[in-house]
Amino acid sequence: DAGVIQSPRHEVTEMGQEVTLRCKPISGHNSLFWYRQTMMRGLELLIYFNNNVPIDDSGMPEDRFSAKMPNASFSTLKIQPSEPRDSAVYFCASSGGRASQPQHFGDGTRLSIL
Amino acid sequence: AQTVTQSQPEMSVQEAETVTLSCTYDTSESDYYLFWYKQPPSRQMILVIRQEAYKQQNATENRFSVNFQKAAKSFSLKISDSQLGDAAMYFCAYRSAKYQFYFGTGTSLTVIP
Repeated sequence: DAGVIQSPRHEVTEMGQEVTLRCKPISGHNSLFWYRQTMMRGLELLIYFNNNVPIDDSGMPEDRFSAKMPNASFSTLKIQPSEPRDSAVYFCASSGGRASQPQHFGDGTRLSIL
Repeated sequence: AQTVTQSQPEMSVQEAETVTLSCTYDTSESDYYLFWYKQPPSRQMILVIRQEAYKQQNATENRFSVNFQKAAKSFSLKISDSQLGDAAMYFCAYRSAKYQFYFGTGTSLTVIP
């Protein structure tokens, strides 16, 4: 079975540019999570969706960040405009509908904002 | 809100020895699930083991086992016969019955040859 697929794997861009990170969850999973990981702050939950609906976006740092899940097989995390402090590894994870089911993580996107 | 605490930022173990990583959590719920994830330098997040709160029996997966103390809200991970490939960051995670996940800050494990 295919795991969670994230793209791109690496992204380097200049400050002020728009960045779009993409995620394809595991087929049949109905919960999707976006995380940001840095050395300073560790693993932070940005937002999570259940059945394509955003349930908790309290972790989204500011209005520059937005996330969408137009259907069950695709989600995006967008940063506009990007800033150097947004540099981090961004993970997408999905899980099934039962609370006993763990999260399955993608390989992450390493984002560098110059 | 639930919190997950890993009080050991770094640990080290001699190859072939046993090490225990600690995790405590705070919750008012009675139904929840606990997980340990491993993140090697490749940065993949890999599920190591899971525990259902309603089960008294401690989960075991090969060399990995947990010591789950529900009353104390403690969920430690024991790695037996440590191998070089066990070197990684280990995260403890809590999942509520409402599906939200909470992660600890991680413990960096070094395995000494």
